[in-house]
Amino acid sequence: AQSVAQPEDQVNVAEGNPLTVKCTYSVSGNPYLFWYVQYPNRGLQFLLKYITGDNLVKGSYGFEAEFNKSQTSFHLKKPSALVSDSALYFCAVRDGDSNYQLIWGAGTKLIIKP
Amino acid sequence: SAVISQKPSRDICQRGTSLTIQCQVDSQVTMMFWYRQQPGQSLTLIATANQGSEATYESGFVIDKFPISRPNLTFSTLTVSNMSPEDSSIYLCSVAVQGRTYEQYFGPGTRLTVT
Repeated sequence: AQSVAQPEDQVNVAEGNPLTVKCTYSVSGNPYLFWYVQYPNRGLQFLLKYITGDNLVKGSYGFEAEFNKSQTSFHLKKPSALVSDSALYFCAVRDGDSNYQLIWGAGTKLIIKP
Repeated sequence: SAVISQKPSRDICQRGTSLTIQCQVDSQVTMMFWYRQQPGQSLTLIATANQGSEATYESGFVIDKFPISRPNLTFSTLTVSNMSPEDSSIYLCSVAVQGRTYEQYFGPGTRLTVT
């Protein structure tokens, strides 16, 4: 079965420090991987995706993610955290049995402290 | 990307009544999705809506409770029928943009409280 795991319910980082939000996946074929962010009382915003090619993908707001096939991971990173990055982050993978459906992780709450 | 609007943004409804949520997209899209989300939690897919065909419902969701319309390529509605307090949630509409390799774009959500 296809699945996505976000092992941390919450990540706390000091402003200016690098941040990592972890995601691992399990799919039957080639993975299509996504990160979304949800700010309080807002809808989800697309951050970045990995489809093929370079393992390091860059996205919005200075975020990037590293695809690691051997570890089946797709961790979200940012070199220097901002207080405004505090939000709920979701990792998602495309369901290989469906052209468009996404399988969602449980979400990780990121808190950046000044 | 696509710009998506939802109406209403929030509502407080009485038990036993129904609410229809509208989702409008600024461009033609192949698929629309309706999700439910408890605050701070992950998304649960209710159904996939294709224009011109019946919506496809996920396990645990039925058409009588959550009827969906998709009259054209830019609009859809989700009705929450015969509501109970357990239906209190955030309802999100999303779209998959053809040719954009499967990422979905989301509306701002409808926050529903059933009393």
